[in-house]
Amino acid sequence: AQKITQTQPGMFVQEKEAVTLDCTYDTSDPSYGLFWYKQPSSGEMIFLIYQGSYDQQNATEGRYSLNFQKARKSANLVISASQLGDSAMYFCAMPRSPLMDSSYKLIFGSGTRLLVRP
Amino acid sequence: DTGVSQDPRHKITKRGQNVTFRCDPISEHNRLYWYRQTLGQGPEFLTYFQNEAQLEKSRLLSDRFSAERPKGSFSTLEIQRTEQGDSAMYLCASSSDPGLYGYTFGSGTRLTVV
Repeated sequence: AQKITQTQPGMFVQEKEAVTLDCTYDTSDPSYGLFWYKQPSSGEMIFLIYQGSYDQQNATEGRYSLNFQKARKSANLVISASQLGDSAMYFCAMPRSPLMDSSYKLIFGSGTRLLVRP
Repeated sequence: DTGVSQDPRHKITKRGQNVTFRCDPISEHNRLYWYRQTLGQGPEFLTYFQNEAQLEKSRLLSDRFSAERPKGSFSTLEIQRTEQGDSAMYLCASSSDPGLYGYTFGSGTRLTVV
């Protein structure tokens, strides 16, 4: 079965420093994708970054980058130059295997709460 | 288009009452998803529509829950005879085929059952 594991319930980072949020996954699909979402206290899920398993390079979007290590089945999110507004919950997610069904529903980890200190 | 809209943002209801939530997806998106998120957890899939057809329901969706998407546009999620365990954030998302294109979440409806 597919599974996403986020082992850090909470993280602190000093403003302007970089932080890495861990995500490991389990899937037997040869082709898959991984999402990272940010959820502020207001509740909306904000898309941050996507990595496809066959992408040649690690994904980057502004201050967000993915440290994708396929052999280790990890897709860690790196936030550079942390800002106070980065304080939020962060979720790693994977679409349900299209080999199982065609819904593309997302399977989420339990999340990491990031607090940026001034 | 302003994205996925959900209404209401917050709902407080007494145990045993019925509640209905609405989701307006991005207009060109044919897929619509409902998720439930309890405190401290990631969202969990509830149900999924492709156009007006409800193609999958999670085991989390008990008989007290029903979802519709008439004419393949907006969707409603109704909970009958609410219980305290129904207290959660209910998130809606939409996307286009091939399924992941433009996957976008709404701001959610936070339900509190007292």
